[in-house]
Amino acid sequence: GEDVEQSLFLSVREGDSSVINCTYTDSSSTYLYWYKQEPGAGLQLLTYIFSNMDMKQDQRLTVLLNKKDKHLSLRIADTQTGDSAIYFCAEKGSGYSTLTFGKGTMLLVSP
Amino acid sequence: NAGVTQTPKFQVLKTGQSMTLQCAQDMNHNSMYWYRQDPGMGLRLIYYSASEGTTDKGEVPNGYNVSRLNKREFSLRLESAAPSQTSVYFCASSPGPGVDTGELFFGEGSRLTVL
Repeated sequence: GEDVEQSLFLSVREGDSSVINCTYTDSSSTYLYWYKQEPGAGLQLLTYIFSNMDMKQDQRLTVLLNKKDKHLSLRIADTQTGDSAIYFCAEKGSGYSTLTFGKGTMLLVSP
Repeated sequence: NAGVTQTPKFQVLKTGQSMTLQCAQDMNHNSMYWYRQDPGMGLRLIYYSASEGTTDKGEVPNGYNVSRLNKREFSLRLESAAPSQTSVYFCASSPGPGVDTGELFFGEGSRLTVL
């Protein structure tokens, strides 16, 4: 089956930029997503990118997609302690298909 | 707007007991899903219902059954709970085939412990 891989942990200082990386195997991916999970809560969609785009910016968030290498990244500018959470990368294949999630990257932001 | 509501939020069971996790959404979505989340394993799909009247197995369906009661409700049943089913269970919904970007809307989770 399809696979999504991401590093498990990232630690940054408040005010720095954070970059979370993800690789996927599905060559027919149509949408790629970043979800955020705060402690004790469900997942919330942060942003998504359509597979024919290579960049999407939304305030402090920048998503870069390299379709050739099947690599997705999420950059958070001016990271705050409130950004501490688990970030999940996910992809959706063509047609009706369920999302495949990575294992999640725990981001820890220290003051 | 409540979104996706799961009950119960917490449950402790003994091995062999049965229970049903309830999920309801008020967004008029066609598709609904049950995931489990375990440390180091990420989110794994148990069952899903692409539209009312249909259900399909996901990655880890063994030991579970589901019912799509109507468009709003999708329940997950453990017939004979095992310690390996200790997990956090998430229900999610999406607008459905052909009408959306695939974005999932998640509930807050149900934390189940099987002793």
